[in-house]
Amino acid sequence: DAGVTQSPTHLIKTRGQQVTLRCSPKSGHDTVSWYQQALGQGPQFIFQYYEEEERQRGNFPDRFSGHQFPNYSSELNVNALLLGDSALYLCASSFLPDTQYFGPGTRLTVL
Amino acid sequence: SQQGEEDPQALSIQEGENATMNCSYKTSINNLQWYRQNSGRGLVHLILIRSNEREKHSGRLRVTLDTSKKSSSLLITASRAADTASYFCATAMYSSASKIIFGSGTRLSIRP
Repeated sequence: DAGVTQSPTHLIKTRGQQVTLRCSPKSGHDTVSWYQQALGQGPQFIFQYYEEEERQRGNFPDRFSGHQFPNYSSELNVNALLLGDSALYLCASSFLPDTQYFGPGTRLTVL
Repeated sequence: SQQGEEDPQALSIQEGENATMNCSYKTSINNLQWYRQNSGRGLVHLILIRSNEREKHSGRLRVTLDTSKKSSSLLITASRAADTASYFCATAMYSSASKIIFGSGTRLSIRP
């Protein structure tokens, strides 16, 4: 049984560009959450998707958007990248609003 | 903003000793969870304690929760080199139990 998978592992972009990160949840999970983790900090909640709709959102600008597909996989899109968007982006899946299972993350570097 | 704050920010102990990390939070919670992260990789769930529980054990881990003080502690007994990692507490609030908020973490180093 595969756990949560994310792609790509690493990504380098320049300011102003757009990026799409992908996440496949653990088998049997229907909820996907996205987090941003800056170096030396705890993960910050971006948003959560359930039944293909955004259910919860953290304090992130509209440049951050997402999508959930019928197979429960999800994408995180970030437009007009800023240097401050450089971080580890983590995806987590769950079935109930309890334990979340995290993927290995995508390391985004904005130059 | 962070809901939970861990204390200490960094901890270095000898292998075999016990490690205790504390977490304080601000609002009423549905549950509190502890996670481990190795070298900036994905987080591994360690233990979940609900607001109506006071203590929970899992192997060498013991977690306590004091809702009156809005605080929790994680005790790792008989530490090993493999326990070297960052440890985060995360809270799920009553108002939105599906959204969990992480603290800033404790970096634990185990000296051989």
